[in-house]
Amino acid sequence: SQQGEEDPQALSIQEGENATMNCSYKTSINNLQWYRQNSGRGLVHLILIRSNEREKHSGRLRVTLDTSKKSSSLLITASRAADTASYFCATDASNAGNMLTFGGGTRLMVKP
Amino acid sequence: DAGVIQSPRHEVTEMGQEVTLRCKPISGHDYLFWYRQTMMRGLELLIYFNNNVPIDDSGMPEDRFSAKMPNASFSTLKIQPSEPRDSAVYFCASSLTPSGIGELFFGEGSRLTVL
Repeated sequence: SQQGEEDPQALSIQEGENATMNCSYKTSINNLQWYRQNSGRGLVHLILIRSNEREKHSGRLRVTLDTSKKSSSLLITASRAADTASYFCATDASNAGNMLTFGGGTRLMVKP
Repeated sequence: DAGVIQSPRHEVTEMGQEVTLRCKPISGHDYLFWYRQTMMRGLELLIYFNNNVPIDDSGMPEDRFSAKMPNASFSTLKIQPSEPRDSAVYFCASSLTPSGIGELFFGEGSRLTVL
């Protein structure tokens, strides 16, 4: 079963705009990770945020975590056509033996 | 390092045939994971190994599926006999730590089509 659920399922924006993707989960977590998957390729790790952190940055990426709402968001600023991909959140549920469970993903299309 | 290496990248087979997917993890990674990705069910964990020992195979859908890790640098996922509903992309991933603690490194996947 999927612990995390991304919203929206699909997002289409123009190059230069910001893209925001949300992830909600059901049970308490230790950590939350975001991954990117280009079409036909494997998943690539983007960022990990721990349950005691509220915000984390990496380049044009900003991730927030609200454990009271059991939600996280991934913001990509100044998007580029190369950001076109699917983005997945993955949670390490406290009762899941430190194993990751992936959400269904958000398909992002950035139009040049 | 070359990353996680999977083979074959694409496999088309007929129902009832045996399928073997192969994975070489990143050297030094103690954890190896097999995932299956479909449009309907998303990314599902099938089985994972720690130091070559299967730890949790609760995600393996049926007895038709089996996985082995004879040494630290090689793992196989076998489906016998294959069925059309097994069509999916199968990913192998490895990590230094349990997946929730650190990042997973994925291979490029093996796309299986069972006719």
